[in-house]
Amino acid sequence: KNQVEQSPQSLIILEGKNCTLQCNYTVSPFSNLRWYKQDTGRGPVSLTIMTFSENTKSNGRYTATLDADTKQSSLHITASQLSDSASYICVVRGTTSGTYKYIFGTGTRLKVLA
Amino acid sequence: DAGVIQSPRHEVTEMGQEVTLRCKPISGHNSLFWYRQTMMRGLELLIYFNNNVPIDDSGMPEDRFSAKMPNASFSTLKIQPSEPRDSAVYFCASSLLTGSLSTDTQYFGPGTRLTVL
Repeated sequence: KNQVEQSPQSLIILEGKNCTLQCNYTVSPFSNLRWYKQDTGRGPVSLTIMTFSENTKSNGRYTATLDADTKQSSLHITASQLSDSASYICVVRGTTSGTYKYIFGTGTRLKVLA
Repeated sequence: DAGVIQSPRHEVTEMGQEVTLRCKPISGHNSLFWYRQTMMRGLELLIYFNNNVPIDDSGMPEDRFSAKMPNASFSTLKIQPSEPRDSAVYFCASSLLTGSLSTDTQYFGPGTRLTVL
């Protein structure tokens, strides 16, 4: 069964600290993996996208890693800011009978405190 | 570009009433997605269209839900009859699917918050 699991469910850190969010998936065949940031009351916004041939990709203070062998991804946030408080959603795209399938994780809620 | 436009932003209705949510995708995008988000279940894909044709509707919860895309610039999601458990935020997103592995960024609208009493 295609699944995407994220951990932790929620996380509280102090401003300026680093943190790492995890995403494990069982989606097969795999096309790509994307991390979204969703601010409260708004729609998700794409942070990074990774294909099977990519191991690391950065977007400012956000760095995503992908291990296609173990089917694990992580999102590392460096020097956190109050504006990083949001939900972070991992989405894996697979292909079934020529149709794209998008499998969403339930997200990690990050709270950054001053 | 104005981005993905959804209307209404908020909808409060009584159980049994018909609800219609509307979406205008970003011009030039060829795919449109409808999502539902609740605290309990997170973000769920209901259905998506490619070139106005429904491709995957396996997420549509039941026959009370229907979606249409009569042209490239407009889509509706209809719930008839509505039930309290349909209360959620409904997002519409659009993207440009080209067959490439890394160019299907989905751009989300602001969502419609639906409350069914």
